[in-house]
Parts: sequence; C-alpha cells; structure tokens
Amino acid sequence: AQSVTQPDIHITVSEGASLELRCNYSYGATPYLFWYVQSPGQGLQLLLKYFSGDTLVQGIKGFEAEFKRSQSSFNLRKPSVHWSDAAEYFCAVGAGYGNKLVFGAGTILRVKS
Amino acid sequence: KAGVTQTPRYLIKTRGQQVTLSCSPISGHRSVSWYQQTPGQGLQFLFEYFSETQRNKGNFPGRFSGRQFSNSRSEMNVSTLELGDSALYLCASRDKGQKFSEAFFGQGTRLTVV
Repeated sequence: AQSVTQPDIHITVSEGASLELRCNYSYGATPYLFWYVQSPGQGLQLLLKYFSGDTLVQGIKGFEAEFKRSQSSFNLRKPSVHWSDAAEYFCAVGAGYGNKLVFGAGTILRVKS
Repeated sequence: KAGVTQTPRYLIKTRGQQVTLSCSPISGHRSVSWYQQTPGQGLQFLFEYFSETQRNKGNFPGRFSGRQFSNSRSEMNVSTLELGDSALYLCASRDKGQKFSEAFFGQGTRLTVV
C-alpha cells in the first residue's frame, strides 16, 4: 500500500536560516508527489508537485523540492525562511485510481526571530 | 475565479444526529474529493466524485456517504454521528479529472460532535 513518512513532527528554525523538510514515500509505480502547506484553521495550499522530468522542482514562495528515486524521497527546501512560513507542511503521493492523495502526518514549522 | 467553497465553516452536532456538508468546486472543475483531518489520524481520503460518479472510496464506514450533482457541487453526509467524527472535513476540486492534476482545497468545515 502507498504510504508517506514525514519523520519530523516539529521543526524550529531561525528566521533567515535554511530549511529542509523530509519526506519518504512508498509506492510501487512512478509516484506523483506533492507538498502542501496549511495555516491554522485553513485549507491546504499546493506548494509544488512532481510528475516526471527534472527531479528538482520549483514551487511558490521560494520553495523547491528534489525527487530522489533511489532514496524514495521528496524533500522540501527553502534557502531562507521567513516568519510567515510558520505553518504545517504535508507531503503527499497520488495513489490508486482517480485522484486519491495519501498524506504524511505533517511537519509543524516554527520560525524564531 | 472563485475558489472552492465549503459550507458551513463550523458545525456542532449531538452524538447520534446526522450532518450534511457542502462543497462547491471551482467553476469548470468536475472532480471533487473529500478528506477528513483529525489530530490522531491526520488527513485521510474519504471519497472522490467525477461527473456525478463515485470513482474511489477510502476506508470509512458506511455512515459516511456522498454525492455529486450535475453542476459538480458535492455533498457528504455522516449519519449516526459519533464523538470520533469530530474533525476538519476538507473538500478538493480538480479540473477535468486528469490523473493527479493539481487539487485545490477549500477552507474546510469544522465538525464538532458533543
């Protein structure tokens, strides 16, 4: 069965520091991978997605992610974090028939000034 | 273009009652998916509708049901509510239903069962 693991439940970084959020997936075929962000009490906003092609994908708000098939990973990165980036981040894999998404447990990002 | 609209935003129901949640997708989108989000279980897929047909279903009891109308608006219904059904219910819409095209999420309906 498809699954997504986000090993870090909480991460705290200083404003201006770099960020990397980890994501590992389990999926038998070519994965369709996504990163979403959720602010408290809000829905999910897509940051970026990977379907095929270049393994380094650029997203909104200065985020990027790199797909590494050999490591079954799709880590999210940002070179310089802003206080407004504080939120919960979800990695997801498209799975099965139709448009089902399987989400990881999420990583809560705290930004300290 | 208006985003995905979910109504109501907040609901409080009593155990044993039933509830209906509504989702209006982005204009022109034909695929609507529903997800349940709880602190313990995270985000879990409930079901997906495309052109009024349920295309995929998650591992939830039969108390959870849904439907989609000809204008692509969708409703989900939960009967015989249990305390554990308290959650944020999110709806997501996609355009033509192309496999894994971008899903746009609504702000969710916060259901509290007391």
